[in-house]
Amino acid sequence: SQQGEEDPQALSIQEGENATMNCSYKTSINNLQWYRQNSGRGLVHLILIRSNEREKHSGRLRVTLDTSKKSSSLLITASRAADTASYFCATAGLTGGGNKLTFGTGTQLKVEL
Amino acid sequence: KAGVTQTPRYLIKTRGQQVTLSCSPISGHRSVSWYQQTPGQGLQFLFEYFSETQRNKGNFPGRFSGRQFSNSRSEMNVSTLELGDSALYLCASSLVVSNTEAFFGQGTRLTVV
Repeated sequence: SQQGEEDPQALSIQEGENATMNCSYKTSINNLQWYRQNSGRGLVHLILIRSNEREKHSGRLRVTLDTSKKSSSLLITASRAADTASYFCATAGLTGGGNKLTFGTGTQLKVEL
Repeated sequence: KAGVTQTPRYLIKTRGQQVTLSCSPISGHRSVSWYQQTPGQGLQFLFEYFSETQRNKGNFPGRFSGRQFSNSRSEMNVSTLELGDSALYLCASSLVVSNTEAFFGQGTRLTVV
């Protein structure tokens, strides 16, 4: 079963605009991760934020985590056509879960020139 | 450093047959996880191996099995294939025992006819 939902399911923006995706989850977590997938290929790890962190940056990516609301958001600034992909959040459970990840439903992002 | 390698990339099988998929993790990574991705169910965790031991298992029938070898390479097997087993099967490797980022292969696209 999936941990939660991502919102929106699909997002279309112009190059240069910012893109924001939201993720909600159901159970307590050790960390939350964001991945990108291009056209049904493998997933690429973008960023990991631990449950005791509130915000994290990596290049044009900004991730926030609100454990009280069980939600996270991914912001991509100054988007490029190459950012067109599906984006998934994934949660790692509390201690004992190994490296098992529970994925959200994903957001399809299209960045148009 | 070479990434995660999955073979074969594409596979067509007939209902009732069995199939074996292979995954070579990043050198030095001892944790290997398998996921099934379908349009209807999304990304679902199958199982995880660490040091040749299965550490976690998802909610899949016993027809799905796996193993890990002493060199950390992993295989998954699906017996008595059903049409619903058609999916992208993704393998991921991780460096440490738990709660860290996963590095995914390009996947094996299995079509059952």
